[in-house]
Amino acid sequence: DAGVIQSPRHEVTEMGQEVTLRCKPISGHDYLFWYRQTMMRGLELLIYFNNNVPIDDSGMPEDRFSAKMPNASFSTLKIQPSEPRDSAVYFCASTMREENYGYTFGSGTRLTVV
Amino acid sequence: GEDVEQSLFLSVREGDSSVINCTYTDSSSTYLYWYKQEPGAGLQLLTYIFSNMDMKQDQRLTVLLNKKDKHLSLRIADTQTGDSAIYFCAESIRGYQKVTFGIGTKLQVIP
Repeated sequence: DAGVIQSPRHEVTEMGQEVTLRCKPISGHDYLFWYRQTMMRGLELLIYFNNNVPIDDSGMPEDRFSAKMPNASFSTLKIQPSEPRDSAVYFCASTMREENYGYTFGSGTRLTVV
Repeated sequence: GEDVEQSLFLSVREGDSSVINCTYTDSSSTYLYWYKQEPGAGLQLLTYIFSNMDMKQDQRLTVLLNKKDKHLSLRIADTQTGDSAIYFCAESIRGYQKVTFGIGTKLQVIP
């Protein structure tokens, strides 16, 4: 398996623009997580899905953030409109219930909002 | 709520042992993890321990758990320059659900 695949690797956008981050989990994994990493706050869980259904979105900072998982092999995290304080590295991770041994992370998307 | 704390920085000489410490607050934690993050990469699971264990050894890595004090440590024997990275302590009640991460300890290995 190619692992968890995220795109793009880097994104630079202007304040106010819409940003869409993409994630392909490992085939067969039924849990998908979106995390945000910043120097000040470390890793924060934004939302996670089980079998494509959002289970906990309490970490989503504002209504400007939305996430979808239309099928088992694809998820998006959208920020509209983007702001400079959204600049961070966004990670997607996946796992399966039977594993209990933690997540497999993607390489992340570094987002810079100018 | 859950909280995981660890020191920010550790510097060791190549060949020495490194010990990275972590404390957590949630007594319901069942799974405790150590992840490694190299520059520009995602987090990679290094090892994990169940809360009913005191110790786990995996090659150069030794994990010690003091459940009473909610203290977890990671010992890396014979530390190499390739071990330079950020190490995250993490905990979870169920490994397939929410995992709470510490802020990460940056390990610098001096040749």
